[in-house]
Amino acid sequence: SQQGEEDPQALSIQEGENATMNCSYKTSINNLQWYRQNSGRGLVHLILIRSNEREKHSGRLRVTLDTSKKSSSLLITASRAADTASYFCATDEGRDDKIIFGKGTRLHILP
Amino acid sequence: DAGVIQSPRHEVTEMGQEVTLRCKPISGHNSLFWYRQTMMRGLELLIYFNNNVPIDDSGMPEDRFSAKMPNASFSTLKIQPSEPRDSAVYFCASSRDRASYGYTFGSGTRLTVV
Repeated sequence: SQQGEEDPQALSIQEGENATMNCSYKTSINNLQWYRQNSGRGLVHLILIRSNEREKHSGRLRVTLDTSKKSSSLLITASRAADTASYFCATDEGRDDKIIFGKGTRLHILP
Repeated sequence: DAGVIQSPRHEVTEMGQEVTLRCKPISGHNSLFWYRQTMMRGLELLIYFNNNVPIDDSGMPEDRFSAKMPNASFSTLKIQPSEPRDSAVYFCASSRDRASYGYTFGSGTRLTVV
C-alpha cells in the first residue's frame, strides 16, 4: 500500500544544529502526520498538518506541506541530545480512516 | 489518563504455541489499530476497529492471526499457531476519530518465537 517515504534514512548532526527530514508521498491526502520513536518505545505523535495548511509550528518543530509536490518536511531547530530518535511521517491516503507509515529517518544528535 | 496500555511487554514462546496480545485504548477514543514493526518491513497496519467493529483487516498476514474488540476498552490480537517469522514488536494505538487526529501508541509487545 502507499506509504510516505522519508529522506534521509539516517542523519547525524551536532547538538545545537538544525535537523531537516523530508517525506514524499504518492496519492492525495487529507492530512499528514509526524511521529517520533525513541529506541524500544512506542511512537509519539508530534504534529498533524492538514492538506489546506502549508506550515505549522509546535515549539522547536516546524512542518511544511507542499501538496503540489506531494512532500513535507520536518525541521527541528536547536537540536538536543534528547531529540535522538527515529522520525516517521504518516499519511491517510485521502481516505481519512487509517494512516500508513513510512520507514522513518534515524536522527542521531552528537554531543 | 494512563495512555494506551499493552500487555505483556515481552513474550517469548515456542513455535506452534498460541500467543495473545492485549490492549486497552484511551477512554473516549473510538478507533483502535494494531501495527507490527520489524526492521525489514517497518510499521505494518494489521487491522483496525472503529466503534468496536473491524473495518479493515487486509493487513493481517494470514489466518493464523485474529483480532477482537469485545468492548470499547479492550482488544486482543491472537496468533495461533505462532511461527518464528512472527517475531516482531506489536503496537496498539487508539485515536479519537480515525485518521483525523493523532494516534496514541502503547509501549508495544516484543514477541519472540523460538
